[in-house]
Amino acid sequence: AQSVTQPDIHITVSEGASLELRCNYSYGATPYLFWYVQSPGQGLQLLLKYFSGDTLVQGIKGFEAEFKRSQSSFNLRKPSVHWSDAAEYFCAVGAGGYNKLIFGAGTRLAVHP
Amino acid sequence: GAVVSQHPSWVICKSGTSVKIECRSLDFQATTMFWYRQFPKQSLMLMATSNEGSKATYEQGVEKDKFLINHASLTLSTLTVTSAHPEDSSFYICSAIKRGGPGDTQYFGPGTRLTVL
Repeated sequence: AQSVTQPDIHITVSEGASLELRCNYSYGATPYLFWYVQSPGQGLQLLLKYFSGDTLVQGIKGFEAEFKRSQSSFNLRKPSVHWSDAAEYFCAVGAGGYNKLIFGAGTRLAVHP
Repeated sequence: GAVVSQHPSWVICKSGTSVKIECRSLDFQATTMFWYRQFPKQSLMLMATSNEGSKATYEQGVEKDKFLINHASLTLSTLTVTSAHPEDSSFYICSAIKRGGPGDTQYFGPGTRLTVL
């Protein structure tokens, strides 16, 4: 069965520090992979997605993610975190078509000034 | 960017009553919408796929008679929680598919917090 694992429930980083959020997936075929961010009072916003091609994907707000098939991973990175990046981040895999999403449990990011 | 709204943003109801939640795509037409449920500090769980003009497709374990979905137009899907009970209290989120370009894009509403007393 398809599944997504985000090992880190909560991460705290200092403003300006680099960030990596981990995501591992289980899926039989080539996965469609997504990262979303959820802020209070706002809908989930798509940061980036991977369908095929270049395994390093650039997204909005300075985020990038790298698809590693051998590790079944799709980790999200940002070189320098801003206080406004504090939010909940969800990794998702498209199952049965890229629109039907299975989400990980989420990682809550806190940013210290 | 595309906008999806939900109404109401929060609702409190008594046990045994029914509650309707609306999901609207404001600036695009969506033949497909999804309904998710999110428990506190947990992930989103897909409940059902709402298709305009046809019956919704429910995920395994989701009671279709409890969670009625109607997708009557290309911009509106509704979720009705019938005979609500405290265990139905949750955060309900909808999304709408905007088609076109290199792959469809799924836009999410801000969610509706349901509390059943």
